[in-house]
Amino acid sequence: AQKVTQAQTEISVVEKEDVTLDCVYETRDTTYYLFWYKQPPSGELVFLIRRNSFDEQNEISGRYSWNFQKSTSSFNFTITASQVVDSAVYFCALSMEYGNKLVFGAGTILRVKS
Amino acid sequence: GAVVSQHPSWVICKSGTSVKIECRSLDFQATTMFWYRQFPKQSLMLMATSNEGSKATYEQGVEKDKFLINHASLTLSTLTVTSAHPEDSSFYICSAGYGRVWSNEQFFGPGTRLTVL
Repeated sequence: AQKVTQAQTEISVVEKEDVTLDCVYETRDTTYYLFWYKQPPSGELVFLIRRNSFDEQNEISGRYSWNFQKSTSSFNFTITASQVVDSAVYFCALSMEYGNKLVFGAGTILRVKS
Repeated sequence: GAVVSQHPSWVICKSGTSVKIECRSLDFQATTMFWYRQFPKQSLMLMATSNEGSKATYEQGVEKDKFLINHASLTLSTLTVTSAHPEDSSFYICSAGYGRVWSNEQFFGPGTRLTVL
């Protein structure tokens, strides 16, 4: 069975602080995909990144960066110099090669205070 | 590109009535569509997977007679909540799969907030 664990229920930071959101996954498949989504108060999911299991390169996109480590089954997300607009719920998700359906973690509420 | 719309964006209905939610892929043909449900302050849970022209596959614990899914075309899937009750109040989100299976692309609609009185 596939499972995604986001142990941090809620994180509060002050603007300009760096923050890391943790994601640990479980799967028996060798081919899989990992995702991060942002859900602002409006409810619409915003796609942030997709990573397949064969690509362990870390990625940086502006203030966002992701650290994928198969050895620890983790796919952590770091926001550098956080801003108030980053306040949202962030979901980590896992998908198998076939079927495409996503298994979501419980989500982490990020509150960035000015 | 790759836009998915949902209609309505919110709906309030009386207990016992049925509600239909539409999910459309606006600029691509979706071979597969997924329906998720999100209760307040909780995560998204997959309800069912639908492929155009075939019966939907429901996740364990989801009543297929209560949540009717029709995927009549490559751009439209509908979810009908039959005989809705207050416990069905939730945020329903659809997503559409695009391209070959291995590409794993999936695009989400904006969601429909259902409140059953």
